[in-house]
Amino acid sequence: QIQLVQSGPELKKPGESVKISCKASGYTFTDYAMHWVKQAPGKGLKWMGWINTYTGKPTYADDFKGRFVFSLEASASTANLQISNLKNEDTATYFCAREQLKGYFDYWGQGVMVTVSS
Amino acid sequence: DVVLTQTPVSLSVTLGDQASISCRSSQSLEYSDGYTYLEWYLQKPGQSPQLLIYGVSNRFSGVPDRFIGSGSGTDFTLKISRVEPEDLGVYYCFQATHDPDTFGAGTKLELK
Repeated sequence: QIQLVQSGPELKKPGESVKISCKASGYTFTDYAMHWVKQAPGKGLKWMGWINTYTGKPTYADDFKGRFVFSLEASASTANLQISNLKNEDTATYFCAREQLKGYFDYWGQGVMVTVSS
Repeated sequence: DVVLTQTPVSLSVTLGDQASISCRSSQSLEYSDGYTYLEWYLQKPGQSPQLLIYGVSNRFSGVPDRFIGSGSGTDFTLKISRVEPEDLGVYYCFQATHDPDTFGAGTKLELK
């Protein structure tokens, strides 16, 4: 069956970096784009951008340009999100989601809670 | 950026009631190919969001027929004909017609 399994929770200090992963199984990884969505505690969903899993080309929403990097380990069917120079406002749950041809997200990872605290 | 305004912010219902959620867009969501990239997601407490409706009115696989999406242009509605306990949570509309993609702020469906 199709699954997106994300890495575990992270506790980091301001200024540090974090890399979280999203491992796909049950389908051909490079056939579907992968998106990233942020949810701050008690808040709504915010679209961060996506990565073309065939070409590796990332696209970032404006608020996520600079410190955020989407990458792939295609041989491992894994998409990664790296955040550098962490700030308190990066504290959130980060979801990966598979995009279907008509632009909707049919499978989601379970989310990774990243806590940034001194 | 396209702003999706959801109303109401919260909705208190009795089980078996009908619920209706509105999503209004600051721009038309009809793409140049004629398709409207408007979706509805439900996030139950402690869970990842799950897809309910895509393309305004198409129910995703396994979604009960009590969920009905409608609308066009800038005005969209999600109706739940007979609310059941598993329908409680936060509903989000989402558009992928215009870059960047955007979510509405959410509507919390809770029991009265």
